[in-house]
Amino acid sequence: QSALTQPPSASGSPGQSVTISCTGSSSDVGGYDSVSWYQQYPGKAPRLMIHEVIKRPSGVPNRFSGSRSGNTASLTVSGLQAEDEADYYCSSTTGTYVIFGGGTKLTVL
Amino acid sequence: QVQLQESGPGLVKPSETLSLTCTVSGYSISSGYFWGWIRQPPGKGLEWIGSTYHGGNTYYNPSLRGRLTISSDTSKNEFSLRLDFVTAADTAVYYCARDLGAGGDSDCWGPGILVTVSS
Repeated sequence: QSALTQPPSASGSPGQSVTISCTGSSSDVGGYDSVSWYQQYPGKAPRLMIHEVIKRPSGVPNRFSGSRSGNTASLTVSGLQAEDEADYYCSSTTGTYVIFGGGTKLTVL
Repeated sequence: QVQLQESGPGLVKPSETLSLTCTVSGYSISSGYFWGWIRQPPGKGLEWIGSTYHGGNTYYNPSLRGRLTISSDTSKNEFSLRLDFVTAADTAVYYCARDLGAGGDSDCWGPGILVTVSS
């Protein structure tokens, strides 16, 4: 099973909105609701930001939102802040195992 | 508050077995949830390894099946990873995590442990 496709980089200025895409297939992203997004700072463990496509865990700012259209899931960060600069990974179940995207480095200009 | 901590050797020789343990505090693994392993080679992305449910069911990455065993010990509130016949490609930071379901959605993570495969 191939990894999910994410853009290697994304950027935006403080206060702007940025959307990161995660493209799979009907066998993963488009077929199941177990789609998640993680934020990772260098040298740190990932942090769950979105699960089940659109759900935000307690403690995650509401500036982070998830959505899906067909086989592509998206993470939108609104009102960008300097602390949002990090790597972001999507993941999805295939029904029997989990696959990750290659990651997107978000830069706050 | 749930906390997870990986432990095990930081250096393993090629063709030998990598064994890691994840000790969970603040929650009984027999009470529910899935418990999984994810790894990240230096400078690269995340790779899902597998997970186990307290009832004994296990789910493995097909690319590692045949070399991989994930098990749990509810009496010690820990779960373990065993990867046989390792090569340099298995060098990575290994994370253990609590999964909200069989589909991943890892909401609590350990800090990670770097395991290097080298002679």
